[in-house]
Amino acid sequence: GENVEQHPSTLSVQEGDSAVIKCTYSDSASNYFPWYKQELGKGPQLIIDIRSNVGEKKDQRIAVTLNKTAKHFSLHITETQPEDSAVYFCAASRPGGGKLIFGQGTELSVKP
Amino acid sequence: DAGVIQSPRHEVTEMGQEVTLRCKPISGHNSLFWYRQTMMRGLELLIYFNNNVPIDDSGMPEDRFSAKMPNASFSTLKIQPSEPRDSAVYFCASNLSGGRETQYFGPGTRLLVL
Repeated sequence: GENVEQHPSTLSVQEGDSAVIKCTYSDSASNYFPWYKQELGKGPQLIIDIRSNVGEKKDQRIAVTLNKTAKHFSLHITETQPEDSAVYFCAASRPGGGKLIFGQGTELSVKP
Repeated sequence: DAGVIQSPRHEVTEMGQEVTLRCKPISGHNSLFWYRQTMMRGLELLIYFNNNVPIDDSGMPEDRFSAKMPNASFSTLKIQPSEPRDSAVYFCASNLSGGRETQYFGPGTRLLVL
């Protein structure tokens, strides 16, 4: 079945450094790849997404890259700040699929 | 605007009891999703509805779990009888027209079954 693998499971960086989280997906028909941020005690919230006709998308300090040939996509956070500390989830869905398959999550800790 | 509303926020019950979780999606959204989150299994989709009709319930663990959506503004997830392994955070999410649009998550219901 559809599967999304996410790495690393935990990531600790110093404030100001960059953080990179990687995901691979199994379903070659997947064409929508969102990233969600979950803060403690809250539900996940979309921070950025990318569709299969685009290789890269950037929004201020965050960017996502997609390699459809290799079936992997990555989240890049530059100039990290303590408020970036949270659990990040990648996900994938296929056309008309109606549902998202989530990765296992990455707990990011940004140390001041 | 109000986001997705879930109730209760916390539930503690004893094994064997019936548990009902409630969700009010964002007004105008036509898809609703129920997820379960645990440390061991991560974020799992249990079931999702489109226009009040269940589309995919392949994630529902077993017959003890049931979900309904009687109208566009209300859904329930029921566990009967509950077991300790059902302890988790249950999220409801909604969006417009399905998987390729942003899903908006509620704050979750933290369930503890003793």
